[in-house]
Amino acid sequence: AQTVTQSQPEMSVQEAETVTLSCTYDTSENNYYLFWYKQPPSRQMILVIRQEAYKQQNATENRFSVNFQKAAKSFSLKISDSQLGDTAMYFCVRGSSNTGKLIFGQGTTLQVKP
Amino acid sequence: DTEVTQTPKHLVMGMTNKKSLKCEQHMGHRAMYWYKQKAKKPPELMFVYSYEKLSINESVPSRFSPECPNSSLLNLHLHALQPEDSALYLCASSRMGQGEKLFFGSGTQLSVL
Repeated sequence: AQTVTQSQPEMSVQEAETVTLSCTYDTSENNYYLFWYKQPPSRQMILVIRQEAYKQQNATENRFSVNFQKAAKSFSLKISDSQLGDTAMYFCVRGSSNTGKLIFGQGTTLQVKP
Repeated sequence: DTEVTQTPKHLVMGMTNKKSLKCEQHMGHRAMYWYKQKAKKPPELMFVYSYEKLSINESVPSRFSPECPNSSLLNLHLHALQPEDSALYLCASSRMGQGEKLFFGSGTQLSVL
């Protein structure tokens, strides 16, 4: 099955601390994309970070970085210096170049506490 | 312009009503999507249009009818919906529809009474 698994339904972190969200996926494809999207209470789906599977270098975007382990099919998101505005549901997503579909994980709800 | 615009933002309809959701993008993207999302769940893919042709239909009931009048517009026509169809409906677009990143609209919150 071509699945994306987020094993942490809920997490919390203190403001200014660092938190890591886990994600594993299953695929038989060689070329694919990986994303983390966040969905705050406004429910607007926002792209946080993107990784192309053929690139070994981990993507970074300001306070957000990933640890991409292709052989292990793991794609975790690290948020540094957490801010109250980071409170949201975070979805790990795999994009299939073959089918054009995006496969979403079940999501991790992150609460940043003051 | 990097926005996907959806209207209306909220919609309440009865089970016998006919209504339409609208989505527009001006990024030159050639793939457009409809997703349905229940609270605290991931979005579920409904339809994909690629180059204005329906390329994916995820076995959605016929009471949902998509339409892509041109490369910038995507509609979702609703008729005889059920209360369980109440959800957030998200429109998205992507450059080529090959698994690359999606740009999402802010959604239409639909309530069926």
